[in-house]
Amino acid sequence: QVTLKETGPALVKPTQTLTLTCTLSGVALSSSGMRVSWIRQPPGKTLEWLARIDWDDEKIYSTSLKTRLTISKDTSKNQVVLTVTNVDPADTATYYCARTRTNYMDVWGTGTTVTVSS
Amino acid sequence: EIVLTQSPVTLSLSPGERATLSCRASQSLSNYLAWYQQKPGQAPRLLIYDASSRATGTPARFSGSGSGTDFTLTISSLEPEDFAVYYCQQRSGWPPLFTFGPGTRVDIK
Repeated sequence: QVTLKETGPALVKPTQTLTLTCTLSGVALSSSGMRVSWIRQPPGKTLEWLARIDWDDEKIYSTSLKTRLTISKDTSKNQVVLTVTNVDPADTATYYCARTRTNYMDVWGTGTTVTVSS
Repeated sequence: EIVLTQSPVTLSLSPGERATLSCRASQSLSNYLAWYQQKPGQAPRLLIYDASSRATGTPARFSGSGSGTDFTLTISSLEPEDFAVYYCQQRSGWPPLFTFGPGTRVDIK
């Protein structure tokens, strides 16, 4: 059974860098075809896809946020890390990681809620 | 960038009724459209992918249809656990960027 679990700080201050970790179980990040995305959802709003990393280290970013995002992986820990620089209250959201197929996300973590406030 | 529009914003129905949810794209998607269900406090759950294929565990009362720019999610007979928010999602060509629609809330009437 494939599961994903997000971890990160609950509260960050404006201008700081947010670092989120997604830990996979039941599947190796290094396995061919494995892809993981980060998606966020501000309170009461729709979902916003942020970035994707593939088993071969290919990385794709949201056009609107690419200057502030970095996605990486640690295959020895089976983890995917997302950093968001220079955070703002508009970055307050629940952040999800999800296994990503060619056209959709089929297994989601439970999410981690991040509040940006001074 | 492809924009998805969902209608209606809210659908108020009774258990046993049929629900028809619409998702319209600003450009043709071929069949690269997925539907998700989200309940309060939970992560989204994949229901339908590639416009009409049911994901593992999706009940048969859920069906997806459409191609190009117009897509529909139909729930043939609403069960109490189906009252939730439903999002459509598309994947653009290259680079493969994903976008979600604004959602349709299905409420108990």
